[in-house]
Amino acid sequence: EVQLVQSGAEVKKPGESLKISCKGSGYSFTSYWIGWVRQMPGKGLEWMGIIYPGDSDTRYSPSFQGQVTISADKSISTAYLQWSSLKASDTAMYYCVRPQSQYSNHDAFDIWGQGTMVTVSS
Amino acid sequence: AIWMTQSPSLLSASTGDRVTISCRMSQGISSYLAWYQQKPGKAPELLIYAASTLQSGVPSRFSGSGSGTDFTLTISCLQSEDFATYYCQQYYSFPRTFGQGTKVEIK
Repeated sequence: EVQLVQSGAEVKKPGESLKISCKGSGYSFTSYWIGWVRQMPGKGLEWMGIIYPGDSDTRYSPSFQGQVTISADKSISTAYLQWSSLKASDTAMYYCVRPQSQYSNHDAFDIWGQGTMVTVSS
Repeated sequence: AIWMTQSPSLLSASTGDRVTISCRMSQGISSYLAWYQQKPGKAPELLIYAASTLQSGVPSRFSGSGSGTDFTLTISCLQSEDFATYYCQQYYSFPRTFGQGTKVEIK
């Protein structure tokens, strides 16, 4: 079964760093892009960026460029989303997503992780 | 960036109704458009891709149409399990963008 399994919920203080993960299984991890989507409480979906684990080619939304870092470790089939200094406004659910086709990022996202809730509060 | 206008933001309907949701792009995207359904507390699920192709396992009461700048999601006969929030998304260019969402609620 193809799936993306994300790390558990996090509660952090403003200014702290954080790295959440997304482990792919049931498919060739290095052949599919993996992206991240933010959903703030009660709000809509926002595309953050995407990485190709095969060569670490990464694209960011301008809204998130410089605010987060997307990376991947193909040896353990895991993608990451990290912050160096969290803000209260980073409080949200974060989903990792996989496009439908190998090698392509011009596809809809047919596989979604279960989500990781990040809460930033003093 | 491509701007998307999804409407309406809230749709009140009854079981058995036919409902349509619109998504308009600020520039042409050919057919690089997807529709997702999200239920409370769950991750979104892909319903339709390439503007009109039904994802495997999705009931045939869902359909999509359009190309270029104007797209529509139609639910032909609303069922109780269809009350949810729906999002369109373009994957024509970076950054990928989502519509604002349409909540379909029970009338």
